[in-house]
Amino acid sequence: DAGVIQSPRHEVTEMGQEVTLRCKPISGHDYLFWYRQTMMRGLELLIYFNNNVPIDDSGMPEDRFSAKMPNASFSTLKIQPSEPRDSAVYFCASSFRGAAFFGQGTRLTVV
Amino acid sequence: AQTVTQSQPEMSVQEAETVTLSCTYDTSENNYYLFWYKQPPSRQMILVIRQEAYKQQNATENRFSVNFQKAAKSFSLKISDSQLGDTAMYFCASASRGGAQKLVFGQGTRLTINP
Repeated sequence: DAGVIQSPRHEVTEMGQEVTLRCKPISGHDYLFWYRQTMMRGLELLIYFNNNVPIDDSGMPEDRFSAKMPNASFSTLKIQPSEPRDSAVYFCASSFRGAAFFGQGTRLTVV
Repeated sequence: AQTVTQSQPEMSVQEAETVTLSCTYDTSENNYYLFWYKQPPSRQMILVIRQEAYKQQNATENRFSVNFQKAAKSFSLKISDSQLGDTAMYFCASASRGGAQKLVFGQGTRLTINP
């Protein structure tokens, strides 16, 4: 397996634009997590899914953030409209029986 | 609620020395996992070692080992014969073993190995 695949690796966008981050988890994994990492706040869990169903989205900072998992092999995290304070590295991870494996992250810069 | 605390923001040792990173956690679960992840400058999050709470034996992976003290809710990572490539941020994390397996991270410890 190629591991967790995230796209794009880097994204620069203007304030107010919609941003969509994509994730393909490892086949057979039943949990999928979205994290945000910043220097100030460290690693924050935004939302996670179990068998494609959102379990806990209490970490999603605002209604501007939304996440979907339409099937077992794909998830998106959308920010609309984006703001400069959304600039961060966004990680997707998938797990099976506890151990989570991470994608390489998307570095988002909102200018 | 699960919480994970790493009280050492930064550590620095000489190459070949042994270093121990501290982690404490809190959970109401009886059955859970504990992990150490490494994040080098490349920013990739790499799973270093995993411990299942019901196992009394401490996990080891080559130069990496843990000291798991369940009653004290302590889970430290020992790196033996440290190498320059061990320079990274290290994160301690916990996840429930049953039910919703929410993976929660500590704040991280920045480890520098000096030549």
